[in-house]
Amino acid sequence: DVKVTQSSRYLVKRTGEKVFLECVQDMDHENMFWYRQDPGLGLRLIYFSYDVKMKEKGDIPEGYSVSREKKERFSLILESASTNQTSMYLCASSPWTSGRNEQFFGPGTRLTVL
Amino acid sequence: AQSVTQPDIHITVSEGASLELRCNYSYGATPYLFWYVQSPGQGLQLLLKYFSGDTLVQGIKGFEAEFKRSQSSFNLRKPSVHWSDAAEYFCAVEARGSSNTGKLIFGQGTTLQVKP
Repeated sequence: DVKVTQSSRYLVKRTGEKVFLECVQDMDHENMFWYRQDPGLGLRLIYFSYDVKMKEKGDIPEGYSVSREKKERFSLILESASTNQTSMYLCASSPWTSGRNEQFFGPGTRLTVL
Repeated sequence: AQSVTQPDIHITVSEGASLELRCNYSYGATPYLFWYVQSPGQGLQLLLKYFSGDTLVQGIKGFEAEFKRSQSSFNLRKPSVHWSDAAEYFCAVEARGSSNTGKLIFGQGTTLQVKP
């Protein structure tokens, strides 16, 4: 089975702190994604990566950056956390194919910024 | 641009009753469509997917969905709901473009509550 793990289930940080969210997948997938999930808004794509060191902005990249130094690991970075970044963060991965890509999700990290 | 709409934010059904969750998409060609379920405190799990062929798709946990091109819909159904089906359900369409990176566009989600 594909397994996507996220470093923390719950995280509490203070405004202005630098926050790292880590995601690891064990199925050698090329694509990895970071979403944030807020009530009534569904999942919104922050960033995605289709290869090591490659990244593309999603729909809401402001205030975030990412890093993908190894194929299995995709990190989301909040450079200076703000209260409006309090949310559930979900990581996902999928294989590179010509399309029809099911995404496999991690359990999520619920981040609270005080 | 592709988009997905789930018109119902919250649905309550009685245990044993039938269920239909609505999903409408916007896309010019044949879409690749997905339904995911998220149990409380969990990540998303794939229920079923449609790429082509038979428009009635069977999934896990007794769910099915029907693709209707004329209505731009991909509604999820279950004939008899169990209390364990209480969760949030997301419809998604694959974004298609030159980069072909497998991006999914998600609807806003429908929260299902099951009454005993």
